[in-house]
Amino acid sequence: EVQLLESGGGLVQAGGSLRLSCAASGFTFSSYAMSWVRQAPGKGLEWVSAIAGGGGSTYADSVKGRFTISRDNSRNAVYLQIDSLRVEDTAIYFCAKMRCLGGCRFDAWGQGTLVAVSS
Amino acid sequence: AIQLTQSPSSLSASVGDRVTITCRASQGINSALTWYQQKPGKAPKFLINDASNLENGVPPRFSGSGSGTDFTLTISSLQSEDFAAYYCQQYSSYPITFGQGTRLEI
Repeated sequence: EVQLLESGGGLVQAGGSLRLSCAASGFTFSSYAMSWVRQAPGKGLEWVSAIAGGGGSTYADSVKGRFTISRDNSRNAVYLQIDSLRVEDTAIYFCAKMRCLGGCRFDAWGQGTLVAVSS
Repeated sequence: AIQLTQSPSSLSASVGDRVTITCRASQGINSALTWYQQKPGKAPKFLINDASNLENGVPPRFSGSGSGTDFTLTISSLQSEDFAAYYCQQYSSYPITFGQGTRLEI
């Protein structure tokens, strides 16, 4: 059974930094791309960033230059370093396993970790 | 970026009803569309792949159709557990984008 467990969220002041972690199990981690998707309170889903099994990464324009995704295949973990936090980054951040065949979708999700940014 | 527009934004229905949610893409995406179900306080659940293929374990009352720019998610006979939010997502090109969601309420 695929399991994804996020951690690292919390309350931080605008301009601060956080590092989110996602521990994965139940599948061959290095073979799959992984993503972070966020959801602001009461709002819809927003894709944030993705990283291929080999480490190539891509970002939404809204976070480019402030967020850095990385992974450690030896630890079955994916990370999201969030710098220069803004109030509008307040959201639940979900880690998601990607199924990439003719494009990538999210076939398993963690329970999410809440990032709250105060002004 | 490809924009996805869902309609309606919210929908009131009753157990046993047939409901249809639509998702329109701002440009053609072939069949590169998925549907997710999200219940309050929970992570999204992957329902339908490639516009019309049900994931394992998804009840057959769910169906998806469409290609190009217009897509639909249909629930043939609503059950109480189906009341949730539904999102479409395109994977034709980056950035990956979602529709704004449809809240299905009793």
